[in-house]
Amino acid sequence: EVQLVQSGAEVKEPGDSLKISCQGSEYSFSDYWIAWVRQRPGEGLEWVGVIYPHDSDTRHGASFQGHVTISADKSLNTVYLQWSNLRASDTAMYYCARLPTTSPYSWFDPWGQGTLVTVSS
Amino acid sequence: EVVMTQSPATLSVSPGERATLSCRASQSISSNLAWYQQKPGQAPRLLISGASTRATTIPARFGGSGSGTEFTLTISSLQSEDVAIYYCQQYNNWPPTFGQGTKVQIK
Repeated sequence: EVQLVQSGAEVKEPGDSLKISCQGSEYSFSDYWIAWVRQRPGEGLEWVGVIYPHDSDTRHGASFQGHVTISADKSLNTVYLQWSNLRASDTAMYYCARLPTTSPYSWFDPWGQGTLVTVSS
Repeated sequence: EVVMTQSPATLSVSPGERATLSCRASQSISSNLAWYQQKPGQAPRLLISGASTRATTIPARFGGSGSGTEFTLTISSLQSEDVAIYYCQQYNNWPPTFGQGTKVQIK
């Protein structure tokens, strides 16, 4: 069974840096795009960006460009989402999800369990 | 970007009755639409891709239809375990975008 397992919840202060992870298993990790999706408390789903682990081709949503960095380590079957200057507005649940086709134009399946990021002073 | 608009915001349906959820795209997206179910405290789960293709293990009571700009998710006989928020997502144009969700509850 294809599975994505994310790192645990984080509590940070404004201005802190953070890197969360998403590890894939039971499939050829390098061959499928993985996306990050944000869900603020009580709100809907927002696409953050996507990465192709094979060559680290990365695309970011306009709202996130310059504020987050998406990266991958093929040797660890892991993708990352990182911030260098967290804001209170970054408080949210972050999900990773695999694109089950070889195109970045795709639906998302499966999803990781989510990583809750809380930014508060 | 393509704006996805879902209606209604909240839908109350009696057990065993039909639930009909709508999703409209601001421009044509062909059949490049997915539906997800998110139960409280859980990650979203894929229900439908390609506007009408059920994902593996999804019960037959879930059905998707539509193309172009108008799409529908139908739950033919609502069960208590179907209480959730349902989201549509287009993947025809860049960037992929989600609707704001429809909350389905038991009447």
